[in-house]
Amino acid sequence: VQLVESGGQLVQPGGSLRISCAASGFSFRNYWMGWARQAPGKGLEWVANINQDGSEKFSVDSDKGRFIISRDNAQNSLYLQINSLRAEDTAVYYCASALDFRSEFWGQGTLVTVSS
Amino acid sequence: DVQMTQSPSFLSASVGDRVTITCRASHTTDRRLSWYQQKPGRAPQLLIYDASNLQSGVPSRFSGSGSGTDFTLTISSLQPEDFATYYCQRTYSAPWTFGQGTKVEIK
Repeated sequence: VQLVESGGQLVQPGGSLRISCAASGFSFRNYWMGWARQAPGKGLEWVANINQDGSEKFSVDSDKGRFIISRDNAQNSLYLQINSLRAEDTAVYYCASALDFRSEFWGQGTLVTVSS
Repeated sequence: DVQMTQSPSFLSASVGDRVTITCRASHTTDRRLSWYQQKPGRAPQLLIYDASNLQSGVPSRFSGSGSGTDFTLTISSLQPEDFATYYCQRTYSAPWTFGQGTKVEIK
């Protein structure tokens, strides 16, 4: 099993960024998936969940819609778009499986830095 | 919003000690509660799911208990490789929620 995140970079405040996660070694299309993040020196924060076909999505800021989770089962890929980026969004973003009410598989993370 | 509160936030212990970490939810979580271990610079590792089920490959010195709003992670005999930060996570409803973490350090 491998989950490999990519796309993390330095972004200016107010900008947008889409990060990706490539999955292999398991039946990706049969798994709920999610994103978590960890600011430098801080604890873990779960960000979003998505079901197998992408028809159900939940995010920590559903009322503001800054975090948009999506997937492409044909490409075995998971995505997270983050809009209106703020300094406090600076974090390592982890891709994780989310099937059966637990995260068995995790990627190694991609660093997003928000700074001018 | 659902809040998950772990105690203590920091714990100093010796090899061989029995260690207990608690996690309290502001809303019921039935038994949908996972525990993770994280070491510096590494991704979290699943230890316990559904409150008391040991994830495959995890040593049996780790155990979990509880239901509803109160949960416990116990390490029966702390080993050198267990010094890490531990997180509980409510998975009863999405989006899920982590506790703030408990750092276990060497006394």
